[in-house]
Amino acid sequence: RKEVEQDPGPFNVPEGATVAFNCTYSNSASQSFFWYRQDCRKEPKLLMSVYSSGNEDGRFTAQLNRASQYISLLIRDSKLSDSATYLCVVNAEDSSASKIIFGSGTRLSIRP
Amino acid sequence: GAVVSQHPSWVICKSGTSVKIECRSLDFQATTMFWYRQFPKQSLMLMATSNEGSKATYEQGVEKDKFLINHASLTLSTLTVTSAHPEDSSFYICSAEGLAGSYNEQFFGPGTRLTVL
Repeated sequence: RKEVEQDPGPFNVPEGATVAFNCTYSNSASQSFFWYRQDCRKEPKLLMSVYSSGNEDGRFTAQLNRASQYISLLIRDSKLSDSATYLCVVNAEDSSASKIIFGSGTRLSIRP
Repeated sequence: GAVVSQHPSWVICKSGTSVKIECRSLDFQATTMFWYRQFPKQSLMLMATSNEGSKATYEQGVEKDKFLINHASLTLSTLTVTSAHPEDSSFYICSAEGLAGSYNEQFFGPGTRLTVL
């Protein structure tokens, strides 16, 4: 089983739609969680961190469910510019080191 | 946010040559840097964790004698792909760990695209 699993997609949705991605992680000791966005042939860029209480940033909402070990990302009112690959990232850090694990990414394509 | 640079941004080399990639944190000190490799349509795979002043920690399956990592200062880590072969052609990305508020955030370099002929 992969340490971080995501549905690879692609998700092809019309502009304005709401789309949700899930991600599961296997290490229950994981401490911090993030969603990154990666455009084709570019480096990943931090979209948002995921807090236990859930957090929202504009059209984006991230949630964490520690009991079930999954993270979600919701994008509302999707824009053409949201087309990208979304990477779920888990940091199973302990007191001595970080261990960053990337999911395989979910490809999102927004159509006009 | 913090800035991480990589150099070169792309390189084409002949099989058997060695290629050095630099990763610099420009406006913060990074005791820990990470090196990733990404093949087309795949996710980033962690190759190694680079700690300033000590030996790098390599992930399983990554040859430490082939991918030499040096983290000589708090702002610079280098990855040298020794005796590169076509199968080493990939997108290599570094990240540096820095404080963003109260938690550690990964700041990524722009990546280096390596093509080995």
